[in-house]
Amino acid sequence: AQTVTQSQPEMSVQEAETVTLSCTYDTSENNYYLFWYKQPPSRQMILVIRQEAYKQQNATENRFSVNFQKAAKSFSLKISDSQLGDTAMYFCAFIGGGSNYKLTFGKGTLLTVNP
Amino acid sequence: NAGVTQTPKFRILKIGQSMTLQCTQDMNHNYMYWYRQDPGMGLKLIYYSVGAGITDKGEVPNGYNVSRSTTEDFPLRLELAAPSQTSVYFCASSYARVNTEAFFGQGTRLTVV
Repeated sequence: AQTVTQSQPEMSVQEAETVTLSCTYDTSENNYYLFWYKQPPSRQMILVIRQEAYKQQNATENRFSVNFQKAAKSFSLKISDSQLGDTAMYFCAFIGGGSNYKLTFGKGTLLTVNP
Repeated sequence: NAGVTQTPKFRILKIGQSMTLQCTQDMNHNYMYWYRQDPGMGLKLIYYSVGAGITDKGEVPNGYNVSRSTTEDFPLRLELAAPSQTSVYFCASSYARVNTEAFFGQGTRLTVV
């Protein structure tokens, strides 16, 4: 069974600084997909970034980038130039490329951006 | 586009009551999911569906039932509500199973007293 671990329940960062959120996962599959979702206080789940395991290049979306280390099964999210609106719960998620239809989530990291 | 619409947004149930959480998507997505979110626990899959007429259990299906008579609708039924079902429930849909974004509804906060 796949598992997703986020070891940082809470983090804080000063506005305009850079922060990295950690995520590790466990799977026996070779092809899979990884996601970071953001959940602000509004409760809406918003996709931040996604990574396909067969792509070696790390995904980037504006101020958000990932460090995907397939051998280490690590998928960290870097937020550059942090903004107050980045304050949210961040979830790492995994879905395998096989017959398992389950999108598995980590327990989340609460990120607070301080002015 | 409305996306994924969940109703109601909030509900208080008494122990033993039943209710249906509604979920509708207008994106013609085949895949639909129900998750529950408990504090500090992430999201756990309750049931999922890969198309009309096809549903299957997820990680925590006990106490719940689903149906998928149309592509658009995927209601979640709670029978004999228990305090352990107090949670925030999310419905989600996606066009394909992998490599595509899952779109989420805004959630239903359910309290069982």
